[in-house]
Amino acid sequence: AQKVTQAQTEISVVEKEDVTLDCVYETRDTTYYLFWYKQPPSGELVFLIRRNSFDEQNEISGRYSWNFQKSTSSFNFTITASQVVDSAVYFCALSEPERSNDYKLSFGAGTTVTVRA
Amino acid sequence: DAGVIQSPRHEVTEMGQEVTLRCKPISGHNSLFWYRQTMMRGLELLIYFNNNVPIDDSGMPEDRFSAKMPNASFSTLKIQPSEPRDSAVYFCASSPWTRQETQYFGPGTRLLVL
Repeated sequence: AQKVTQAQTEISVVEKEDVTLDCVYETRDTTYYLFWYKQPPSGELVFLIRRNSFDEQNEISGRYSWNFQKSTSSFNFTITASQVVDSAVYFCALSEPERSNDYKLSFGAGTTVTVRA
Repeated sequence: DAGVIQSPRHEVTEMGQEVTLRCKPISGHNSLFWYRQTMMRGLELLIYFNNNVPIDDSGMPEDRFSAKMPNASFSTLKIQPSEPRDSAVYFCASSPWTRQETQYFGPGTRLLVL
């Protein structure tokens, strides 16, 4: 069963538009971690944010913001006033150390974001 | 600070040849992960080391794949013999003991087996 679901395969926006990426996860653990990674066209995976299951505060970092809602098992990511440099594939990931006693990441399928000038 | 270093960045080889991918984790990190990325299967964990000891190798596809971590600053992933279906991007990631759940990825090795 898929632990992390990113229902949006591709999103295309015009520069300065906001874009929200959805992530829904599934776990039985009470302690777990959620992540977002960015994969630009150059191919590397860039860590963006880590959130533990006990911290439901939303977070903002520049134009990026994250909305964590345990009630709906969602960890959504919004890019405000998008720029061409935001064009990338974005991955949501889950770590369940409580169950597996290790820290491997289960990744979603990724959402490709294209920002047009 | 140097990030995770992987070499080579690109590798093209012929079916049947041995392929060795290398990884140097971030200094001070004690966990190391090898992932593979393909269009069909996305990102999947192959093997995970903690303090140089393999903890979980359940993701290693078959006996043709092997991984070692002889010391805290070096790991290899070997494929012998390689097959066209092994073509993928292979990522190495490391995490510190103070925050083991947070993995930092290398640039990846793009492998093409002809």
